Amino acid sequence: QKEVEQDPGPLSVPEGAIVSLNCTYSNSAFQYFMWYRQYSRKGPELLMYTYSSGNKEDGRFTAQVDKSSKYISLFIRDSQPSDSATYLCAMSAQGAQKLVFGQGTRLTINP
Amino acid sequence: DTGVSQDPRHKITKRGQNVTFRCDPISEHNRLYWYRQTLGQGPEFLTYFQNEAQLEKSRLLSDRFSAERPKGSFSTLEIQRTEQGDSAMYLCASSPGQSKNIQYFGAGTRLSVL
Repeated sequence: QKEVEQDPGPLSVPEGAIVSLNCTYSNSAFQYFMWYRQYSRKGPELLMYTYSSGNKEDGRFTAQVDKSSKYISLFIRDSQPSDSATYLCAMSAQGAQKLVFGQGTRLTINP
Repeated sequence: DTGVSQDPRHKITKRGQNVTFRCDPISEHNRLYWYRQTLGQGPEFLTYFQNEAQLEKSRLLSDRFSAERPKGSFSTLEIQRTEQGDSAMYLCASSPGQSKNIQYFGAGTRLSVL
């Protein structure tokens, strides 16, 4: 079983919809949680960073971490065609250097 | 701040050949990371440098792989005797070395082994 599980999709929604992306994890030592966006044939771009449990909002994006359930989410409001990409969750333990990634969810926003 | 730069962007080689990739991190970032990403998967950690010291290596980094960061600035990743299974995107990331472990990625080098 992988340390981080993420539904690969693909997920297709109409423009303007609210998108919910999720990851579950098994390692209770994870303290730092990130969401990256990756366009085709490009490197991952950091979207959101959260430490421990709680919510964080940045524009149309909201990240949530529930450590008790080992579950993290990314919400995208008012989704745009330009949001079409693969979304990767990543996490690391305190003092650890490596990021452990989910498989990525491929998202398409239809105009 | 010009971001993490990787060269080449795409490398095609024949099985058995050696290849070398270069990564230039964000200026003044003292931590540098290499990851490998195969199609439809998330990146997997390969190795990590703090300044010129290679402090961690994944079991994925077989004896055919070697990474260096000789002056604590740019880094190279060499694969000897390439195999078709080495075909992947090789990603470099850098971090300023604070406790948050926020890593910034380059565009990657896509390796195709024929």
